[in-house]
Amino acid sequence: DTEVTQTPKHLVMGMTNKKSLKCEQHMGHRAMYWYKQKAKKPPELMFVYSYEKLSINESVPSRFSPECPNSSLLNLHLHALQPEDSALYLCASSQAVGTRQETQYFGPGTRLLVL
Amino acid sequence: EDKVVQSPLSLVVHEGDTVTLNCSYEVTNFRSLLWYKQEKKAPTFLFMLTSSGIEKKSGRLSSILDKKELSSILNITATQTGDSAIYLCAVGGSQGNLIFGKGTKLSVKP
Repeated sequence: DTEVTQTPKHLVMGMTNKKSLKCEQHMGHRAMYWYKQKAKKPPELMFVYSYEKLSINESVPSRFSPECPNSSLLNLHLHALQPEDSALYLCASSQAVGTRQETQYFGPGTRLLVL
Repeated sequence: EDKVVQSPLSLVVHEGDTVTLNCSYEVTNFRSLLWYKQEKKAPTFLFMLTSSGIEKKSGRLSSILDKKELSSILNITATQTGDSAIYLCAVGGSQGNLIFGKGTKLSVKP
């Protein structure tokens, strides 16, 4: 089973709203990732969690706040977003970071529109 | 700086054609190269390559890594319209992340 699930599938929010994206995997993976993908561009890494600790933050604005409550769950809290934050947000997981077990499996994504 | 370059950026072929997609990389402490297929939603994993010269095969798709040339190719034989997608190449970066290329957009015409 290589399934990563994400909710919601679609989200429309205003610039003053607070919302959260959720990601879950039950593959026993110890690394989880958030990516942002704009149309016709490759995924752009935002955050990496390894063993439930934040290991990489790619200079993401503080209006995006990640959280890893346990090894199976990853959240992305959104607050005061801008229209240019509209994108497909992808979650991925892998067995480990920075090893030959780094194959990442992606969830279906949340398509976010900020009005 | 780690980087991954894919070519061509886009490709249009007819059903039944064979295509070769290219990926070259510059990365410190190479560990692995991965190929993904992306249609409308999330990238789906195709292959992971770690050793030079060993072909990975899945149906009509195959891929091989050349560590000397710092490159990989993805071959698709007897293409079908369902192969139309963006093919992404990624390499493990020095921070433990994946570095993605810009992708090759393949369009297969009936």
